[in-house]
Amino acid sequence: AQKITQTQPGMFVQEKEAVTLDCTYDTSDPSYGLFWYKQPSSGEMIFLIYQGSYDQQNATEGRYSLNFQKARKSANLVISASQLGDSAMYFCAMRERASKIIFGSGTRLSIRP
Amino acid sequence: DTAVSQTPKYLVTQMGNDKSIKCEQNLGHDTMYWYKQDSKKFLKIMFSYNNKELIINETVPNRFSPKSPDKAHLNLHINSLELGDSAVYFCASSYNSNQPQHFGDGTRLSIL
Repeated sequence: AQKITQTQPGMFVQEKEAVTLDCTYDTSDPSYGLFWYKQPSSGEMIFLIYQGSYDQQNATEGRYSLNFQKARKSANLVISASQLGDSAMYFCAMRERASKIIFGSGTRLSIRP
Repeated sequence: DTAVSQTPKYLVTQMGNDKSIKCEQNLGHDTMYWYKQDSKKFLKIMFSYNNKELIINETVPNRFSPKSPDKAHLNLHINSLELGDSAVYFCASSYNSNQPQHFGDGTRLSIL
Protein backbone atom coordinates (compact mmCIF):
# COMPACT_ATOMS: atom_id res chain seq x y z
CA ALA A 1 0.00 0.00 0.00
CA GLN A 2 1.17 3.49 -0.82
CA LYS A 3 2.36 5.27 2.27
CA ILE A 4 2.91 8.62 0.62
CA THR A 5 0.51 9.77 -2.08
CA GLN A 6 0.94 12.74 -4.34
CA THR A 7 -2.13 12.83 -6.54
CA GLN A 8 -1.00 15.57 -8.91
CA PRO A 9 1.52 14.24 -11.43
CA GLY A 10 1.74 17.68 -13.04
CA MET A 11 0.58 21.24 -12.44
CA PHE A 12 0.69 24.50 -14.35
CA VAL A 13 0.51 27.77 -12.44
CA GLN A 14 0.75 31.39 -13.50
CA GLU A 15 3.76 33.29 -12.17
CA LYS A 16 3.09 35.17 -8.90
CA GLU A 17 0.13 32.99 -8.01
CA ALA A 18 0.16 30.76 -4.94
CA VAL A 19 0.21 27.02 -5.48
CA THR A 20 -0.66 24.07 -3.27
CA LEU A 21 0.94 20.68 -3.84
CA ASP A 22 -0.97 17.84 -2.25
CA CYS A 23 0.49 15.09 -0.11
CA THR A 24 -1.31 12.49 1.98
CA TYR A 25 0.36 9.85 4.08
CA ASP A 26 -0.44 6.70 5.93
CA THR A 27 1.22 5.58 9.14
CA SER A 28 0.27 4.04 12.46
CA ASP A 29 3.43 5.33 14.11
CA PRO A 30 2.63 8.30 16.40
CA SER A 31 6.09 9.72 15.84
CA TYR A 32 6.95 10.64 12.28
CA GLY A 33 8.31 13.47 10.20
CA LEU A 34 7.26 14.92 6.90
CA PHE A 35 9.61 16.54 4.40
CA TRP A 36 9.33 18.32 1.08
CA TYR A 37 12.13 18.32 -1.46
CA LYS A 38 12.54 20.14 -4.76
CA GLN A 39 14.30 18.61 -7.75
CA PRO A 40 14.98 21.09 -10.57
CA SER A 41 15.77 19.90 -14.08
CA SER A 42 19.47 19.99 -13.16
CA GLY A 43 18.78 16.95 -10.98
CA GLU A 44 19.87 17.88 -7.47
CA MET A 45 17.56 17.29 -4.50
CA ILE A 46 16.97 20.39 -2.38
CA PHE A 47 15.40 20.22 1.07
CA LEU A 48 12.57 22.74 1.48
CA ILE A 49 10.66 22.21 4.70
CA TYR A 50 10.07 19.79 7.59
CA GLN A 51 7.11 19.08 9.87
CA GLY A 52 7.30 16.80 12.89
CA SER A 53 4.20 14.90 13.94
CA TYR A 54 4.21 16.54 17.36
CA ASP A 55 4.81 20.07 16.10
CA GLN A 56 1.94 22.28 17.15
CA GLN A 57 2.35 24.86 14.44
CA ASN A 58 2.61 24.51 10.69
CA ALA A 59 6.16 24.83 9.43
CA THR A 60 7.13 27.83 7.34
CA GLU A 61 10.34 28.64 5.46
CA GLY A 62 10.25 31.84 3.47
CA ARG A 63 7.74 31.40 0.63
CA TYR A 64 7.15 27.77 1.61
CA SER A 65 4.64 26.67 4.19
CA LEU A 66 3.34 23.26 5.10
CA ASN A 67 -0.40 22.89 5.65
CA PHE A 68 -0.31 20.05 8.18
CA GLN A 69 -3.68 18.46 8.91
CA LYS A 70 -2.90 15.56 11.19
CA ALA A 71 -6.40 14.12 11.45
CA ARG A 72 -6.68 14.04 7.66
CA LYS A 73 -3.08 12.81 7.32
CA SER A 74 -2.22 15.48 4.85
CA ALA A 75 0.86 17.65 4.54
CA ASN A 76 0.35 19.95 1.60
CA LEU A 77 3.09 22.31 0.48
CA VAL A 78 2.05 25.87 -0.23
CA ILE A 79 4.30 28.10 -2.30
CA SER A 80 3.33 31.74 -2.20
CA ALA A 81 4.04 34.21 -5.01
CA SER A 82 5.40 31.57 -7.38
CA GLN A 83 8.45 32.34 -9.48
CA LEU A 84 9.75 30.90 -12.72
CA GLY A 85 12.55 29.25 -10.77
CA ASP A 86 9.99 27.23 -8.83
CA SER A 87 9.46 25.04 -11.90
CA ALA A 88 10.68 21.62 -10.77
CA MET A 89 9.64 18.21 -9.44
CA TYR A 90 8.46 18.31 -5.84
CA PHE A 91 8.62 15.28 -3.59
CA CYS A 92 6.84 14.71 -0.33
CA ALA A 93 8.54 12.25 2.03
CA MET A 94 7.80 10.67 5.38
CA ARG A 95 10.18 9.40 8.01
CA GLU A 96 8.89 6.60 10.19
CA ARG A 97 10.76 4.83 12.91
CA ALA A 98 14.07 3.11 12.23
CA SER A 99 15.16 5.94 9.99
CA LYS A 100 13.15 4.73 7.02
CA ILE A 101 12.27 7.51 4.63
CA ILE A 102 9.59 6.96 2.01
CA PHE A 103 9.13 9.30 -0.93
CA GLY A 104 6.00 10.06 -2.90
CA SER A 105 5.92 9.82 -6.68
CA GLY A 106 6.38 13.56 -7.11
CA THR A 107 4.54 16.46 -8.71
CA ARG A 108 5.98 18.29 -11.67
CA LEU A 109 5.26 22.00 -11.24
CA SER A 110 5.54 24.32 -14.20
CA ILE A 111 5.30 28.08 -13.72
CA ARG A 112 3.99 30.06 -16.68
CA PRO A 113 5.34 33.61 -17.23
CA ASP B 1 32.97 23.47 0.45
CA THR B 2 30.71 20.85 -1.07
CA ALA B 3 28.53 19.27 1.61
CA VAL B 4 27.78 15.86 0.07
CA SER B 5 29.90 14.92 -2.89
CA GLN B 6 29.60 11.79 -4.95
CA THR B 7 31.74 10.60 -7.81
CA PRO B 8 31.53 9.99 -10.64
CA LYS B 9 28.68 12.17 -11.89
CA TYR B 10 28.18 9.97 -14.93
CA LEU B 11 28.99 6.30 -15.33
CA VAL B 12 28.51 4.44 -18.60
CA THR B 13 29.49 0.81 -18.64
CA GLN B 14 28.74 -2.60 -20.11
CA MET B 15 26.41 -5.17 -18.67
CA GLY B 16 28.24 -7.61 -16.41
CA ASN B 17 30.89 -5.15 -15.24
CA ASP B 18 31.56 -4.19 -11.63
CA LYS B 19 31.58 -0.51 -10.66
CA SER B 20 31.76 1.69 -7.59
CA ILE B 21 30.30 5.05 -6.67
CA LYS B 22 31.93 7.06 -3.92
CA CYS B 23 30.25 9.41 -1.47
CA GLU B 24 31.71 11.74 1.10
CA GLN B 25 30.08 14.29 3.40
CA ASN B 26 31.85 17.04 5.32
CA LEU B 27 28.85 18.03 7.44
CA GLY B 28 29.70 15.93 10.46
CA HIS B 29 26.51 13.91 10.00
CA ASP B 30 26.10 10.51 11.63
CA THR B 31 23.70 9.00 9.11
CA MET B 32 24.24 8.36 5.41
CA TYR B 33 21.98 6.93 2.73
CA TRP B 34 21.89 5.59 -0.79
CA TYR B 35 18.82 6.11 -2.97
CA LYS B 36 17.93 4.94 -6.46
CA GLN B 37 15.83 7.16 -8.72
CA ASP B 38 14.39 5.39 -11.73
CA SER B 39 13.41 6.78 -15.12
CA LYS B 40 9.96 7.71 -13.79
CA LYS B 41 11.61 9.81 -11.07
CA PHE B 42 10.55 7.41 -8.34
CA LEU B 43 13.02 7.68 -5.45
CA LYS B 44 13.58 4.64 -3.29
CA ILE B 45 15.90 4.16 -0.35
CA MET B 46 18.43 1.37 -0.72
CA PHE B 47 20.64 1.57 2.36
CA SER B 48 21.11 3.64 5.46
CA TYR B 49 24.17 3.69 7.73
CA ASN B 50 24.51 5.27 11.14
CA ASN B 51 28.05 5.71 12.43
CA LYS B 52 29.34 3.09 9.98
CA GLU B 53 26.67 0.56 10.98
CA LEU B 54 24.07 -0.67 8.52
CA ILE B 55 20.56 0.15 9.77
CA ILE B 56 18.42 -0.13 6.64
CA ASN B 57 18.76 -2.58 3.78
CA GLU B 58 15.71 -2.38 1.58
CA THR B 59 15.56 -5.71 -0.25
CA VAL B 60 18.32 -4.67 -2.57
CA PRO B 61 20.00 -7.49 -4.59
CA ASN B 62 23.21 -8.62 -2.96
CA ARG B 63 25.06 -7.47 -6.08
CA PHE B 64 24.88 -4.08 -4.33
CA SER B 65 27.30 -3.79 -1.43
CA PRO B 66 27.66 -0.57 0.53
CA LYS B 67 30.84 0.09 2.46
CA SER B 68 31.36 2.71 5.12
CA PRO B 69 35.03 3.02 6.09
CA ASP B 70 34.17 5.92 8.42
CA LYS B 71 31.07 7.95 9.17
CA ALA B 72 31.98 10.56 6.53
CA HIS B 73 32.05 8.05 3.68
CA LEU B 74 29.55 5.62 2.23
CA ASN B 75 30.56 3.96 -1.01
CA LEU B 76 28.40 1.76 -3.19
CA HIS B 77 29.85 -1.17 -5.08
CA ILE B 78 27.78 -2.95 -7.70
CA ASN B 79 28.74 -6.34 -9.14
CA SER B 80 27.58 -7.87 -12.40
CA LEU B 81 25.70 -4.81 -13.59
CA GLU B 82 22.35 -5.40 -15.28
CA LEU B 83 20.29 -3.26 -17.64
CA GLY B 84 17.78 -2.62 -14.87
CA ASP B 85 20.46 -0.96 -12.77
CA SER B 86 20.38 2.05 -15.08
CA ALA B 87 19.20 4.93 -12.88
CA VAL B 88 20.38 7.96 -10.97
CA TYR B 89 21.89 7.04 -7.61
CA PHE B 90 21.83 9.62 -4.85
CA CYS B 91 23.89 9.68 -1.71
CA ALA B 92 22.53 11.69 1.23
CA SER B 93 23.37 12.42 4.85
CA SER B 94 21.68 13.80 7.95
CA TYR B 95 22.49 14.39 11.62
CA ASN B 96 19.97 11.73 12.51
CA SER B 97 16.80 10.29 11.08
CA ASN B 98 14.71 13.20 12.38
CA GLN B 99 16.69 15.79 10.51
CA PRO B 100 16.49 16.78 6.83
CA GLN B 101 18.76 14.93 4.46
CA HIS B 102 21.34 16.69 2.37
CA PHE B 103 21.73 15.09 -1.03
CA GLY B 104 24.66 14.76 -3.36
CA ASP B 105 24.23 15.73 -6.99
CA GLY B 106 23.57 12.17 -8.08
CA THR B 107 25.39 9.65 -10.27
CA ARG B 108 23.73 8.78 -13.54
CA LEU B 109 24.50 5.14 -14.26
CA SER B 110 23.84 3.89 -17.78
CA ILE B 111 24.26 0.24 -18.65
CA LEU B 112 24.87 -0.62 -22.30
